[in-house]
Amino acid sequence: KAGVTQTPRYLIKTRGQQVTLSCSPISGHRSVSWYQQTPGQGLQFLFEYFSETQRNKGNFPGRFSGRQFSNSRSEMNVSTLELGDSALYLCASSLSVDQETQYFGPGTRLLVL
Amino acid sequence: AQKITQTQPGMFVQEKEAVTLDCTYDTSDPSYGLFWYKQPSSGEMIFLIYQGSYDQQNATEGRYSLNFQKARKSANLVISASQLGDSAMYFCAMREGLGSGNTPLVFGKGTRLSVIA
Repeated sequence: KAGVTQTPRYLIKTRGQQVTLSCSPISGHRSVSWYQQTPGQGLQFLFEYFSETQRNKGNFPGRFSGRQFSNSRSEMNVSTLELGDSALYLCASSLSVDQETQYFGPGTRLLVL
Repeated sequence: AQKITQTQPGMFVQEKEAVTLDCTYDTSDPSYGLFWYKQPSSGEMIFLIYQGSYDQQNATEGRYSLNFQKARKSANLVISASQLGDSAMYFCAMREGLGSGNTPLVFGKGTRLSVIA
């Protein structure tokens, strides 16, 4: 079974631009979560989606948004990029919201110049 | 308050030796799960092992075992017979409220393990 896939793997943007990252969960998994990883803040939760509904949201500004489609694929969008948004963005999937283990994709490395 | 504490920023271990990575946690929820993930330099988080708060026995997965001491709120990862490929960052994480709508994963700051030939 294929794992979680994320596209693109690497991205360079400039301040003020916006970016969309994509995540395809493991087949059959309906819950998708997003995390941001930076050297300073570590791994921080962004949001979680299940059946196209946002279940949880982390403490991030409104510039960060996401959505989930009917096939469970998810996208996250960051508008008006700031230098501090440079990070590794990790997507994780699980069968459902009550299944404990989340499986991660390879991540998207975003660099904001 | 920090929910997951990993006190070892970095560790070295000789190849074929065993190593223990420390993790303590803080929660008042009786239902929670503890996880260990491995992150190589490529960036992908690889799930290693899981321990539920109600599990009676310590979890084991191949060369990985979890030394779960509930009263001490510790969940240390033991890697036996270390291999060069074990060199990576290791993260301890927790989810609360299992079975009734899990909370998101909360991660520790990680321990960088270096295996020496």
